[in-house]
Amino acid sequence: EPEVTQTPSHQVTQMGQEVILRCVPISNHLYFYWYRQILGQKVEFLVSFYNNEISEKSEIFDDQFSVERPDGSNFTLKIRSTKLEDSAMYFCASMDTGELFFGEGSRLTVL
Amino acid sequence: QKEVEQDPGPLSVPEGAIVSLNCTYSNSAFQYFMWYRQYSRKGPELLMYTYSSGNKEDGRFTAQVDKSSKYISLFIRDSQPSDSATYLCAMNRSGGYQKVTFGTGTKLQVIP
Repeated sequence: EPEVTQTPSHQVTQMGQEVILRCVPISNHLYFYWYRQILGQKVEFLVSFYNNEISEKSEIFDDQFSVERPDGSNFTLKIRSTKLEDSAMYFCASMDTGELFFGEGSRLTVL
Repeated sequence: QKEVEQDPGPLSVPEGAIVSLNCTYSNSAFQYFMWYRQYSRKGPELLMYTYSSGNKEDGRFTAQVDKSSKYISLFIRDSQPSDSATYLCAMNRSGGYQKVTFGTGTKLQVIP
């Protein structure tokens, strides 16, 4: 069964460093997303991406964040100058006809 | 008022019980409704996807949507210990690229 895959599963970084989280969405899907879940809290929307551009972004998705689809399969989230409060699970998701499918997540720990 | 409200639980039931999970929402523009299951430190897994009002059944799971009351439910029949997880309701305005808004999740424990 097709699935969304994410790497790395866990990344530990020092405050102020840049991280890149990678995702391979389901191959025939057209819409891609990043969501975030701080431990014990709700799943929060960060950004949606369609046709090689951002469709919608939340107030969380400020200049510190960027997304890119560098080739036909990968979808990345870059976080510049990480802060302690960026520690969370980051989920990539893709959608075709309305059903949103998630990857297993990348756990980011900022020290 | 939050856009989507969900009782966080925890909800503890004996094995074999019928479980009822609920969400209310305030945005009348929501038309697509989803239920996800999330195990600890894992990604949300889509269980049910429904459009507008009505019922949808899939095995032991039944999703209900009442748009007039802005209320959705997920029923789990013959609950199993493996159903122990956090259940997230989610919704959006269209089936397209618009963001999906999640509830906070209800933690369910099914006791053998």
